[in-house]
Amino acid sequence: EPEVTQTPSHQVTQMGQEVILRCVPISNHLYFYWYRQILGQKVEFLVSFYNNEISEKSEIFDDQFSVERPDGSNFTLKIRSTKLEDSAMYFCASSEGHNTGELFFGEGSRLTVL
Amino acid sequence: QKEVEQDPGPLSVPEGAIVSLNCTYSNSAFQYFMWYRQYSRKGPELLMYTYSSGNKEDGRFTAQVDKSSKYISLFIRDSQPSDSATYLCAMSAGNAGNMLTFGGGTRLMVKP
Repeated sequence: EPEVTQTPSHQVTQMGQEVILRCVPISNHLYFYWYRQILGQKVEFLVSFYNNEISEKSEIFDDQFSVERPDGSNFTLKIRSTKLEDSAMYFCASSEGHNTGELFFGEGSRLTVL
Repeated sequence: QKEVEQDPGPLSVPEGAIVSLNCTYSNSAFQYFMWYRQYSRKGPELLMYTYSSGNKEDGRFTAQVDKSSKYISLFIRDSQPSDSATYLCAMSAGNAGNMLTFGGGTRLMVKP
């Protein structure tokens, strides 16, 4: 069964460092997303991406964050100058269609900022 | 008022029981309703997906949406220990790039 894959599964970084989280969406999907879940809290939307452009972004997704599709398979989330409060699980998701809500999530990348 | 509310549980039931999980919401623009299952420290897994009001059945799972009451439910029949997980409801207005709004999740424990 096709799945969304994410790397790394866990990353530990020092405050102020830059991290890149990587995702390989399901191959025939055209819409890509990042969500995050701080421990014990709700899953929160960060950004949606289609046709090499950001479609929507939340208030959380400020200038510290950026997304990129550097090639035909990878989708990345870059977090610059990490802060303690960026510690969370970051989930990549993809979907075939737009505006339907039927998303498929990866296993997540756990980011720990020290 | 929170946009999507869900009882955090935990909900503990014996194996074979019928489980009822619920969410309420306040945003009348929501049209797409999903239930995800999340095992500890794993990604959400899509279980059920419905559009607008009505029922949808898939195996042991039945999803119900009542838009007039802003209330959605997931029923699990013949619950199994492997159903033990956190169940997340999620919703979308369908006009915001698949921006899902999640409930906080209900933790379910099915005891053998």
